[in-house]
Amino acid sequence: GAVVSQHPSWVICKSGTSVKIECRSLDFQATTMFWYRQFPKQSLMLMATSNEGSKATYEQGVEKDKFLINHASLTLSTLTVTSAHPEDSSFYICSARVQGLSTEAFFGQGTRLTVV
Amino acid sequence: GNSVTQMEGPVTLSEEAFLTINCTYTATGYPSLFWYVQYPGEGLQLLLKATKADDKGSNKGFEATYRKETTSFHLEKGSVQVSDSAVYFCALSDPLGATNKLIFGTGTLLAVQP
Repeated sequence: GAVVSQHPSWVICKSGTSVKIECRSLDFQATTMFWYRQFPKQSLMLMATSNEGSKATYEQGVEKDKFLINHASLTLSTLTVTSAHPEDSSFYICSARVQGLSTEAFFGQGTRLTVV
Repeated sequence: GNSVTQMEGPVTLSEEAFLTINCTYTATGYPSLFWYVQYPGEGLQLLLKATKADDKGSNKGFEATYRKETTSFHLEKGSVQVSDSAVYFCALSDPLGATNKLIFGTGTLLAVQP
Protein backbone atom coordinates (compact mmCIF):
# COMPACT_ATOMS: atom_id res chain seq x y z
CA GLY A 1 0.00 0.00 0.00
CA ALA A 2 0.90 3.67 -0.11
CA VAL A 3 3.37 4.93 2.47
CA VAL A 4 2.99 8.01 4.64
CA SER A 5 6.01 9.10 6.63
CA GLN A 6 5.69 11.31 9.66
CA HIS A 7 8.64 13.04 11.32
CA PRO A 8 9.72 13.22 14.05
CA SER A 9 8.40 10.13 15.82
CA TRP A 10 8.76 11.85 19.15
CA VAL A 11 9.80 15.27 20.37
CA ILE A 12 10.26 16.96 23.72
CA CYS A 13 10.15 20.73 23.86
CA LYS A 14 10.04 23.50 26.43
CA SER A 15 6.91 25.51 27.14
CA GLY A 16 6.64 28.54 24.92
CA THR A 17 8.57 27.10 22.00
CA SER A 18 7.17 25.96 18.66
CA VAL A 19 7.37 22.50 17.18
CA LYS A 20 6.94 21.46 13.54
CA ILE A 21 5.72 18.01 12.52
CA GLU A 22 6.05 16.84 8.93
CA CYS A 23 3.82 14.45 7.03
CA ARG A 24 4.99 13.13 3.68
CA SER A 25 3.37 10.84 1.15
CA LEU A 26 6.33 8.91 -0.22
CA ASP A 27 4.98 7.16 -3.28
CA PHE A 28 1.77 8.94 -4.17
CA GLN A 29 0.28 12.38 -4.50
CA ALA A 30 -2.07 13.43 -1.75
CA THR A 31 -4.44 16.25 -2.51
CA THR A 32 -5.92 15.97 0.96
CA MET A 33 -4.19 15.34 4.26
CA PHE A 34 -5.77 15.08 7.69
CA TRP A 35 -4.30 15.85 11.10
CA TYR A 36 -5.53 13.99 14.17
CA ARG A 37 -4.81 14.22 17.86
CA GLN A 38 -5.02 11.16 20.08
CA PHE A 39 -5.29 11.37 23.85
CA PRO A 40 -4.46 8.37 26.03
CA LYS A 41 -7.18 5.75 25.88
CA GLN A 42 -9.25 7.96 23.61
CA SER A 43 -10.07 8.06 19.97
CA LEU A 44 -8.44 10.00 17.21
CA MET A 45 -9.91 13.48 17.09
CA LEU A 46 -9.77 15.20 13.73
CA MET A 47 -8.10 18.58 14.07
CA ALA A 48 -8.07 19.84 10.51
CA THR A 49 -8.25 18.93 6.87
CA SER A 50 -5.46 20.18 4.67
CA ASN A 51 -5.81 20.66 0.93
CA GLU A 52 -2.80 21.32 -1.26
CA GLY A 53 -2.46 24.97 -2.16
CA SER A 54 -5.28 26.24 0.02
CA LYS A 55 -5.98 27.07 3.64
CA ALA A 56 -6.70 24.25 6.02
CA THR A 57 -10.21 23.64 7.33
CA TYR A 58 -10.21 23.36 11.11
CA GLU A 59 -12.67 21.42 13.23
CA GLN A 60 -14.73 23.24 15.79
CA GLY A 61 -12.76 24.01 18.92
CA VAL A 62 -9.33 23.77 17.31
CA GLU A 63 -7.33 27.00 17.43
CA LYS A 64 -6.01 27.70 13.97
CA ASP A 65 -3.46 30.20 15.27
CA LYS A 66 -2.19 27.61 17.70
CA PHE A 67 -1.96 24.73 15.26
CA LEU A 68 -0.62 26.06 11.98
CA ILE A 69 -1.05 23.77 9.01
CA ASN A 70 0.68 24.18 5.69
CA HIS A 71 0.17 21.95 2.66
CA ALA A 72 2.57 23.44 0.16
CA SER A 73 2.91 20.45 -2.16
CA LEU A 74 1.12 17.25 -3.09
CA THR A 75 3.51 15.24 -0.94
CA LEU A 76 4.07 17.37 2.14
CA SER A 77 1.93 18.84 4.89
CA THR A 78 3.24 20.33 8.12
CA LEU A 79 1.67 20.96 11.50
CA THR A 80 3.31 23.58 13.71
CA VAL A 81 2.32 23.74 17.35
CA THR A 82 3.04 27.34 18.33
CA SER A 83 3.87 28.52 21.84
CA ALA A 84 3.47 25.00 23.14
CA HIS A 85 2.11 24.31 26.61
CA PRO A 86 2.07 21.08 28.62
CA GLU A 87 -1.61 20.56 27.75
CA ASP A 88 -0.56 20.30 24.09
CA SER A 89 1.31 17.11 24.94
CA SER A 90 -0.33 14.39 22.91
CA PHE A 91 0.03 11.93 20.05
CA TYR A 92 -0.44 13.60 16.67
CA ILE A 93 -1.20 11.52 13.58
CA CYS A 94 -1.51 12.52 9.95
CA SER A 95 -3.21 10.70 7.13
CA ALA A 96 -3.29 11.23 3.40
CA ARG A 97 -5.79 10.33 0.78
CA VAL A 98 -4.68 9.04 -2.58
CA GLN A 99 -5.73 11.36 -5.34
CA GLY A 100 -8.68 9.92 -7.20
CA LEU A 101 -9.70 7.38 -4.55
CA SER A 102 -12.61 8.52 -2.45
CA THR A 103 -12.35 6.26 0.58
CA GLU A 104 -8.80 5.02 1.06
CA ALA A 105 -6.63 6.89 3.56
CA PHE A 106 -3.12 6.03 4.70
CA PHE A 107 -1.66 6.98 8.06
CA GLY A 108 1.69 8.10 9.32
CA GLN A 109 3.24 6.43 12.34
CA GLY A 110 2.40 9.35 14.60
CA THR A 111 4.40 11.88 16.62
CA ARG A 112 4.54 11.84 20.41
CA LEU A 113 4.85 15.44 21.61
CA THR A 114 5.82 16.14 25.20
CA VAL A 115 5.93 19.74 26.39
CA VAL A 116 7.84 20.32 29.62
CA GLY B 1 -23.93 14.13 13.64
CA ASN B 2 -21.96 11.09 12.63
CA SER B 3 -20.42 8.99 15.39
CA VAL B 4 -18.95 5.58 16.11
CA THR B 5 -19.26 3.58 19.31
CA GLN B 6 -17.11 0.55 19.96
CA MET B 7 -16.68 -1.69 22.94
CA GLU B 8 -14.17 -0.67 25.54
CA GLY B 9 -11.13 -2.74 26.16
CA PRO B 10 -8.88 -4.18 26.95
CA VAL B 11 -9.95 -7.49 25.53
CA THR B 12 -7.71 -10.29 26.71
CA LEU B 13 -7.88 -13.65 24.96
CA SER B 14 -5.90 -16.83 24.79
CA GLU B 15 -4.37 -17.86 21.50
CA GLU B 16 -6.85 -19.56 19.13
CA ALA B 17 -9.85 -18.04 20.89
CA PHE B 18 -12.74 -16.45 18.99
CA LEU B 19 -12.74 -12.66 18.79
CA THR B 20 -15.61 -10.21 18.54
CA ILE B 21 -15.21 -6.46 18.87
CA ASN B 22 -18.52 -4.64 18.66
CA CYS B 23 -18.97 -1.45 16.68
CA THR B 24 -22.13 0.54 16.06
CA TYR B 25 -22.54 3.79 14.24
CA THR B 26 -24.80 6.78 13.81
CA ALA B 27 -24.76 8.50 10.45
CA THR B 28 -26.82 10.38 7.95
CA GLY B 29 -26.76 8.99 4.49
CA TYR B 30 -24.83 5.85 3.61
CA PRO B 31 -21.35 5.85 5.08
CA SER B 32 -18.46 3.58 4.27
CA LEU B 33 -17.24 1.60 7.26
CA PHE B 34 -13.70 0.63 8.20
CA TRP B 35 -11.61 -1.24 10.71
CA TYR B 36 -8.10 0.06 11.29
CA VAL B 37 -5.40 -1.63 13.36
CA GLN B 38 -2.58 0.07 15.25
CA TYR B 39 0.33 -2.13 16.29
CA PRO B 40 2.57 -0.90 19.11
CA GLY B 41 4.68 2.04 18.02
CA GLU B 42 3.19 2.19 14.55
CA GLY B 43 0.60 4.18 12.66
CA LEU B 44 -2.84 3.00 11.70
CA GLN B 45 -3.27 0.44 8.97
CA LEU B 46 -6.45 -0.32 7.12
CA LEU B 47 -7.59 -3.81 8.06
CA LEU B 48 -10.82 -4.07 6.09
CA LYS B 49 -13.69 -2.01 4.80
CA ALA B 50 -17.24 -2.18 3.46
CA THR B 51 -18.89 0.48 1.37
CA LYS B 52 -22.54 -0.56 1.31
CA ALA B 53 -25.11 -2.51 3.26
CA ASP B 54 -24.59 -6.29 3.50
CA ASP B 55 -21.02 -6.02 2.21
CA LYS B 56 -18.53 -8.17 4.08
CA GLY B 57 -14.99 -6.91 4.45
CA SER B 58 -12.30 -9.48 5.15
CA ASN B 59 -8.54 -9.58 5.55
CA LYS B 60 -6.00 -11.72 7.45
CA GLY B 61 -8.77 -13.89 8.87
CA PHE B 62 -10.75 -10.91 10.18
CA GLU B 63 -14.28 -10.25 8.95
CA ALA B 64 -16.93 -7.59 9.44
CA THR B 65 -20.36 -7.26 7.81
CA TYR B 66 -22.06 -3.94 7.17
CA ARG B 67 -25.47 -4.28 8.86
CA LYS B 68 -27.68 -1.34 8.04
CA GLU B 69 -30.66 -2.63 10.01
CA THR B 70 -28.67 -2.74 13.24
CA THR B 71 -26.20 0.02 12.26
CA SER B 72 -23.34 -2.27 13.18
CA PHE B 73 -19.98 -3.39 11.82
CA HIS B 74 -18.69 -5.93 14.33
CA LEU B 75 -15.18 -7.29 13.87
CA GLU B 76 -14.68 -11.05 14.18
CA LYS B 77 -11.89 -13.57 13.89
CA GLY B 78 -12.22 -17.27 14.42
CA SER B 79 -8.81 -17.94 15.91
CA VAL B 80 -6.61 -15.14 17.19
CA GLN B 81 -2.84 -15.21 17.39
CA VAL B 82 -0.39 -13.42 19.65
CA SER B 83 0.61 -11.30 16.65
CA ASP B 84 -2.95 -9.90 16.52
CA SER B 85 -2.32 -7.97 19.74
CA ALA B 86 -2.95 -4.33 18.84
CA VAL B 87 -5.49 -1.54 19.12
CA TYR B 88 -8.43 -1.80 16.73
CA PHE B 89 -10.39 1.23 15.57
CA CYS B 90 -13.78 1.24 13.92
CA ALA B 91 -14.39 4.23 11.66
CA LEU B 92 -16.86 5.65 9.18
CA SER B 93 -16.58 7.97 6.25
CA ASP B 94 -19.45 9.87 4.77
CA PRO B 95 -18.98 9.72 1.00
CA LEU B 96 -21.26 12.69 0.56
CA GLY B 97 -19.19 14.85 2.85
CA ALA B 98 -17.08 17.58 1.32
CA THR B 99 -13.83 16.14 2.57
CA ASN B 100 -14.80 12.51 3.14
CA LYS B 101 -13.17 12.61 6.54
CA LEU B 102 -12.94 9.61 8.85
CA ILE B 103 -14.66 9.53 12.22
CA PHE B 104 -13.20 7.03 14.67
CA GLY B 105 -14.40 5.07 17.63
CA THR B 106 -12.36 5.09 20.84
CA GLY B 107 -10.32 2.04 19.93
CA THR B 108 -10.21 -1.38 21.58
CA LEU B 109 -6.99 -2.85 22.87
CA LEU B 110 -6.68 -6.57 22.16
CA ALA B 111 -4.13 -8.58 24.10
CA VAL B 112 -3.64 -12.19 23.03
CA GLN B 113 -1.78 -14.45 25.42
CA PRO B 114 0.09 -17.58 24.35
